[in-house]
Amino acid sequence: AQSVTQLDSQVPVFEEAPVELRCNYSSSVSVYLFWYVQYPNQGLQLLLKYLSGSTLVESINGFEAEFNKSQTSFHLRKPSVHISDTAEYFCAVIVSNDYKLSFGAGTTVTVRA
Amino acid sequence: GAGVSQSPRYKVAKRGQDVALRCDPISGHVSLFWYQQALGQGPEFLTYFQNEAQLDKSGLPSDRFFAERPEGSVSTLKIQRTQQEDSAVYLCASSGPAGVVGYTFGSGTRLTVV
Repeated sequence: AQSVTQLDSQVPVFEEAPVELRCNYSSSVSVYLFWYVQYPNQGLQLLLKYLSGSTLVESINGFEAEFNKSQTSFHLRKPSVHISDTAEYFCAVIVSNDYKLSFGAGTTVTVRA
Repeated sequence: GAGVSQSPRYKVAKRGQDVALRCDPISGHVSLFWYQQALGQGPEFLTYFQNEAQLDKSGLPSDRFFAERPEGSVSTLKIQRTQQEDSAVYLCASSGPAGVVGYTFGSGTRLTVV
């Protein structure tokens, strides 16, 4: 099974400040990488994904993540957060010939005015 | 439907009671998955269906857990003789032609065993 490590369980941040959520995975084979967001009392929503090609992927609401194969990382960043970005963020991995998502433990982002 | 629908949204069960959780996937989605999300943890894989066939049940934590999808559409996750450690959010996801990279999750059922 894949191991996904999210290094920060809680990240408090002020509005309009930048944020980075770290994610590392353990795999020596080809993988697909995902970031999901979970707002309070809601299900998981796909934020962005890396399948192949450009190592920098972006979401429609200003988040971006960069796949770094040598460091087996897929860190998520946003240059300026909003109050509405308060949520839990999960990094997830699928080995390319598999179907099971392996999730990290999650990072809770709390944005304060 | 437009999304994956799960019911009930919340369920409180007394220890020892049987429960049934329902998942209505996106119409036409062949693949259906169940995940268990314990408090403060990421979701963990339970089982996978392709149409009505249960191809992988390796994540089911005990023989008290049983899932079915008899007509290849709606799925039910049944937990017999519930225990406190079964308290969690149970998430269902489905995917269509895009395969695993096109997962859509439901809002989940929060099960509390008292």
